[in-house]
Amino acid sequence: GAVVSQHPSWVICKSGTSVKIECRSLDFQATTMFWYRQFPKQSLMLMATSNEGSKATYEQGVEKDKFLINHASLTLSTLTVTSAHPEDSSFYICSAPPHYQPGQETQYFGPGTRLLVL
Amino acid sequence: SQQGEEDPQALSIQEGENATMNCSYKTSINNLQWYRQNSGRGLVHLILIRSNEREKHSGRLRVTLDTSKKSSSLLITASRAADTASYFCATDDPYSGAGSYQLTFGKGTKLSVIP
Repeated sequence: GAVVSQHPSWVICKSGTSVKIECRSLDFQATTMFWYRQFPKQSLMLMATSNEGSKATYEQGVEKDKFLINHASLTLSTLTVTSAHPEDSSFYICSAPPHYQPGQETQYFGPGTRLLVL
Repeated sequence: SQQGEEDPQALSIQEGENATMNCSYKTSINNLQWYRQNSGRGLVHLILIRSNEREKHSGRLRVTLDTSKKSSSLLITASRAADTASYFCATDDPYSGAGSYQLTFGKGTKLSVIP
């Protein structure tokens, strides 16, 4: 089946640094990818919709200048957490629906990236 | 935006018993999906039920959908220790530009199956 990968799977960084997380669709093209954030023992919350070749759409309350999204190709979207602080520590998960597949209602989730900001 | 709400928040059962989790949502949907998440891991898609379907089966899983009550249930029969995980329902937003792919997740039910 289709696979979505994320890199890195784990990152620990100092407060104030920027962290880039990659989301790749390995065997299919994805014009749209979604970024979710999950705090411990909580549900996934949609942060933004990443669109290939255009600006991302952010959910209410998500700072676009802090969470930079780049979707430069049909198989790669990146999320950069700029000037990370401890409150940004979370589990970040991306997902991607396959492109050009009418009737395909499911999408594929990456394995997640756990970010710990010290 | 709509949110799914699962209950119970936590459920502990003996191996072999059935586990039932419920989900409620607030607005119109095209479909509702159930996912499993093992501790600290990614999501595993379990089953999708469309708004015009009332019941769906997949192996030991049975999902029902009542659009009049805006609720769904997930039944896991003959549970196993390996079923221990958190289970989330997720609903799409028919009115979003991303069609059925933009999901809103419920708060989840943490299932513990005791050997």
